[in-house]
Amino acid sequence: GDSVTQMEGPVTLSEEAFLTINCTYTATGYPSLFWYVQYPGEGLQLLLKATKADDKGSNKGFEATYRKETTSFHLEKGSVQVSDSAVYFCAKGGGNKLTFGTGTQLKVEL
Amino acid sequence: NAGVTQTPKFRVLKTGQSMTLLCAQDMNHEYMYWYRQDPGMGLRLIHYSVGEGTTAKGEVPDGYNVSRLKKQNFLLGLESAAPSQTSVYFCASSYLGSGSGTDTQYFGPGTRLTVL
Repeated sequence: GDSVTQMEGPVTLSEEAFLTINCTYTATGYPSLFWYVQYPGEGLQLLLKATKADDKGSNKGFEATYRKETTSFHLEKGSVQVSDSAVYFCAKGGGNKLTFGTGTQLKVEL
Repeated sequence: NAGVTQTPKFRVLKTGQSMTLLCAQDMNHEYMYWYRQDPGMGLRLIHYSVGEGTTAKGEVPDGYNVSRLKKQNFLLGLESAAPSQTSVYFCASSYLGSGSGTDTQYFGPGTRLTVL
């Protein structure tokens, strides 16, 4: 069946380092793709999304590009901050539902 | 707007007890969802609803029932709780289903349930 695979964590970075969290998916057609972020003790909130191939979603310095050739939607940020420490979930839409990856914990240290 | 709210925030049950989790949204969304979050497994869909009076099974529906009697509320019931149902439960809503390609799901803060 359709699935979303993202890199396992935790990922530990120093402040101002470059971040990449990989996400790939399997699906028929071209689903919408999402990145959600979960801060400690909170629910998930949308970080960014892309609805068609080659679209780039961006928000708060994070970016992800919908790559249909490689069925990927990798999350990047040029310079992370301590406040970016959270769990990041990649997800794809389809059939009125979202399918989530297992989440990647990011820890940013001073 | 309060967005999506969940009641209660925490609960401890004994095996075999029953309980109902309440989700409420004030955004006039058609679609509502119940997920469970377990370590290393991400979020898994339990049940969802595409409108008042309708419900459908998700990925892991066994042991749970749901009802959507009012558009703004979506209830998740556990008739006979088991330790395997210890988890964090999240409710979400969206204007259109995410299958439409454009709509975002908005999540509540979660309910942490422990079954002893």
